[in-house]
Amino acid sequence: EVQLVESGGGLVQPGGSLRLSCAASGFTFSSYEMNWVRQAPGKGLEWVSYISSSGSTIYYADSVKGRFTISRDNAKNSLYLQMNSLRAEDTAVYYCARKSRGVIDYWGQGTLVTVSS
Amino acid sequence: DIQMTQSPSTLSASVGDRVTITCRASQSISSWLAWYQQKPGKAPKLLIYKASSLESGVPSRFSGSGSGTEFTLTISSLQPDDFATYYCQQYNSYRFTFGPGTKVDIK
Repeated sequence: EVQLVESGGGLVQPGGSLRLSCAASGFTFSSYEMNWVRQAPGKGLEWVSYISSSGSTIYYADSVKGRFTISRDNAKNSLYLQMNSLRAEDTAVYYCARKSRGVIDYWGQGTLVTVSS
Repeated sequence: DIQMTQSPSTLSASVGDRVTITCRASQSISSWLAWYQQKPGKAPKLLIYKASSLESGVPSRFSGSGSGTEFTLTISSLQPDDFATYYCQQYNSYRFTFGPGTKVDIK
């Protein structure tokens, strides 16, 4: 069974940093492209970042470029999102999401990041 | 970026109703469109990919159609478990973009 389990969310002050992790199991993690997608409270879904299976290709949404860094450790079956210079508008549930056949086919349960003083 | 719109934003329906949701893209995305269902406090669930392909395990009452810039999701006979919010998403570009969602609630 495919499982994606996010962790690392919490309350952080504006300008602060947080590192999210996603532990993958039930599939060959190193063979799959991965994404982070977020959802602000009561709002829709926003794609945040993409990383290829090897980690060699990375893309970011304009809203986070220069502040967030996606990475992966295929030996540990883990995906990461380093978030710096956090703003109130970054407050959201962050989902780790697997890409297959071009589309996101599995999502984690999400981890809540709250940016507030 | 490719912009996605959905209509209606809210839909009130009864069990057994046929329901149709429309999604439009700001430019042609061929058939690179997916539909997701999301319930409160839960992650989205993939229903349809490549505009009309039913994801494994998804009931056959769900169907998708369209290509280019206009797409539809149809639920042939609404069931109690189907009351949720539905999102379309284009994956023609690596910059995935989602529609704003359609909430299907009980009439």
